Amino acid sequence: NAGVTQTPKFRILKIGQSMTLQCAQDMNHNYMYWYRQDPGMGLKLIYYSVGAGITDKGEVPNGYNVSRSTTEDFPLRLELAAPSQTSVYFCASSQLSYNEQFFGPGTRLTVL
Amino acid sequence: AQTVTQSQPEMSVQEAETVTLSCTYDTSENNYYLFWYKQPPSRQMILVIRQEAYKQQNATENRFSVNFQKAAKSFSLKISDSQLGDTAMYFCAFIPPNTNAGKSTFGDGTTLTVKP
Repeated sequence: NAGVTQTPKFRILKIGQSMTLQCAQDMNHNYMYWYRQDPGMGLKLIYYSVGAGITDKGEVPNGYNVSRSTTEDFPLRLELAAPSQTSVYFCASSQLSYNEQFFGPGTRLTVL
Repeated sequence: AQTVTQSQPEMSVQEAETVTLSCTYDTSENNYYLFWYKQPPSRQMILVIRQEAYKQQNATENRFSVNFQKAAKSFSLKISDSQLGDTAMYFCAFIPPNTNAGKSTFGDGTTLTVKP
C-alpha cells in the first residue's frame, strides 16, 4: 500500500495564480483532511470530508476549495494565491474520525 | 470550538532520561479522543499514542505513556529512557465525538531535543 500520496512535493506560485494540490489514499478510508502548517507552528484544519460527496469547512477555509468525488481522492484548490498561503500542506486520512490519521509527506508551497 | 494548548515551545533532555510534555485542552464535550503525534525532521507525522476520554486507564506504548486528567483537561506525554531518535516536534491533538466528527484540533507543538 502506498498509503497517502501528495503531489507536487514543492511548488512556487505567483500572486494571483491558482493551483490544485492532489491527495490520494489507497486504504479505503472514509475520512480525509487537509491541513496547513506554518513555520514552527501546529496543524490548522482547512477542510475535511467524511465520505465521497461530503465535505465541510475546518478552522481556516478561506481561499481554498475542495471536492471529493471518489473515496480515494481529495484535491485542494487554491484560487488567487496570496503570500499568506505560503505554508506546508498536509493531507491525511482515517477510517473513522477517532482512528489514527495517516498523513501524506506534505507539499511545500511558496507564493511570491 | 475546542482549543489545544502546548505551553512548552521547546524542551531538551539528556539521552536515557525521562521527559514530560504538557498539553491542556478546552471542551464542553464528555466523550472525545486525544492523540500525541511526532514529527521528526523528515516532516512525516507519526502517531505516538492515543487515549479515549471514557477510559480512566492511562494509555501506554512501550517507552511512551500519558497522564490523562479529565477533570483538569490535561493530557501530558511522558517519554522514558529518551533516545536520540525521539528528537522531533510533538503535537497534541483533540478529536471531538460524532457530533463534530472530523473537526480535529492540534496544538502548536513542542520541539524536543534529545542530547547525547
